[in-house]
Amino acid sequence: EVQLVESGGGLVPPGGSLRLSCPASGFTLRGYAMHWVRQAPGKGLEYVSAISGNGGSIYYADSVKGRFSIFRDNSKNTLFLQMSSLRPEDTAVYYCVKGVATMTGPFDYWGQGTLVTVSS
Amino acid sequence: EIVMTQSPATLSVSPGERATLSCRASQGITSNLAWYQQKPGQAPRLLVYRASTRATGIPARFSGSGSGTEFTLTISSLQSEDFAVYYCHQYNNWPPRGFTFGPGTRVDI
Repeated sequence: EVQLVESGGGLVPPGGSLRLSCPASGFTLRGYAMHWVRQAPGKGLEYVSAISGNGGSIYYADSVKGRFSIFRDNSKNTLFLQMSSLRPEDTAVYYCVKGVATMTGPFDYWGQGTLVTVSS
Repeated sequence: EIVMTQSPATLSVSPGERATLSCRASQGITSNLAWYQQKPGQAPRLLVYRASTRATGIPARFSGSGSGTEFTLTISSLQSEDFAVYYCHQYNNWPPRGFTFGPGTRVDI
């Protein structure tokens, strides 16, 4: 059974940093594109970042480029999102999402999400 | 960036009725479109991908159609558990100017 369990969210002041973790089970991370999608309170879904199965392709939304970094630890089968220079508008539930073997495919499994609140 | 629009924003339907949700892409995305269902306090769930293929375990009352720029999700006979928000998602653009989501359609009783 595929499982994704995000952790690392919390309350952080503007300008602060957080690292989100997403250990995966039921499949091998490096075989699949992995994504982060966020949802601000009461709002819709926003695509944040992606990493290809081999790690050779990485994408960031313009809203987070230069501040967020996506990476994987294959030995721990875990996806990460390092977030720095956080802004109040980054407040959202962050979902770790499994894609398919290629980058252009649907998101078939979602974690339960972890809430990041950026506030003083 | 490909902009996705959905209509209507809210759809009020009675149980047992048919619901038709629309999604439009600002440029052609062939059939690289998925639909997700999200209930309050839950993560989204994949319903349909490649515009018309139901995901594993999704009931047959959910059907998707369309290609290019116009897409439709139809729920043939609404059940109580179907009242939720539905998002369309284009995954055509890689390296992406962004995989993008529509703003969602809320299906209310």
